[in-house]
Amino acid sequence: GENVEQHPSTLSVQEGDSAVIKCTYSDSASNYFPWYKQELGKGPQLIIDIRSNVGEKKDQRIAVTLNKTAKHFSLHITETQPEDSAVYFCAASVRSGGYQKVTFGIGTKLQVIP
Amino acid sequence: NAGVTQTPKFRILKIGQSMTLQCTQDMNHNYMYWYRQDPGMGLKLIYYSVGAGITDKGEVPNGYNVSRSTTEDFPLRLELAAPSQTSVYFCASNPGLANNGWQFFGPGTRLTVL
Repeated sequence: GENVEQHPSTLSVQEGDSAVIKCTYSDSASNYFPWYKQELGKGPQLIIDIRSNVGEKKDQRIAVTLNKTAKHFSLHITETQPEDSAVYFCAASVRSGGYQKVTFGIGTKLQVIP
Repeated sequence: NAGVTQTPKFRILKIGQSMTLQCTQDMNHNYMYWYRQDPGMGLKLIYYSVGAGITDKGEVPNGYNVSRSTTEDFPLRLELAAPSQTSVYFCASNPGLANNGWQFFGPGTRLTVL
C-alpha cells in the first residue's frame, strides 16, 4: 500500500521567513496530493492541492511543487505570519476500488515566532 | 451550510463501556469517512462509506462498527471500549470520486478510555 513520509515533524521560523515541508510517497499510481492545515482543537482544513499532471501550483503565499519522477512533493509558505502556526499534513490519493484512498503523512508542527 | 458536525466534542469512557460517535453532513456528499488521530501518527482510516447502505473497512477497523442508513449520517460505534481507543476521532466527507479525494473534516471528538 501507499506510504507517505513527511519531514520535518516540527519547524520553527521567524515571522516573515519562509517555511518548507517535504513529503515523499511510494505508490506511483497516486494522482492527487492535498495539503491540510489543522489548528489547535479543530479538524484539518484543505489549504492547497495539486494533481499529478501539474508540477507547481501557487495560491498567494502558499505554493506546492510535485516531482513525479522522484515521488516527492513540497509545501512552501512565504512571508510567514503568526496565524500560520498550526500542524500541516500532506496526503497522497489514489483510486482504489470504489473510492479515492487517501494516505496522510504524520504532520508537521509549524511555529512562527513573532 | 453547517458542513460536517460531530457530537460529542469530548467523552470519557470506562473500559468495557460502549458509545456512539455521531457525524452528520448537510452537503449531500456521497462519501463519508471516519479517522482516528493519535499523536505523531497522522490520520488513520477506520471505516468509509460510498453511499447510503454501503460501508467498508479502512486501515484500522478492529473494535469499531459503522452504519449508513441515510446520506447525511454516519455514526461510529464502539462496543467494548479499550484504552487503545483513546484518540481524537474525525469524520469527513466528499462528493465522490470526481473531486480526487479532497475531504471536508468535522471538528473532532476527543475520547478518553480509562
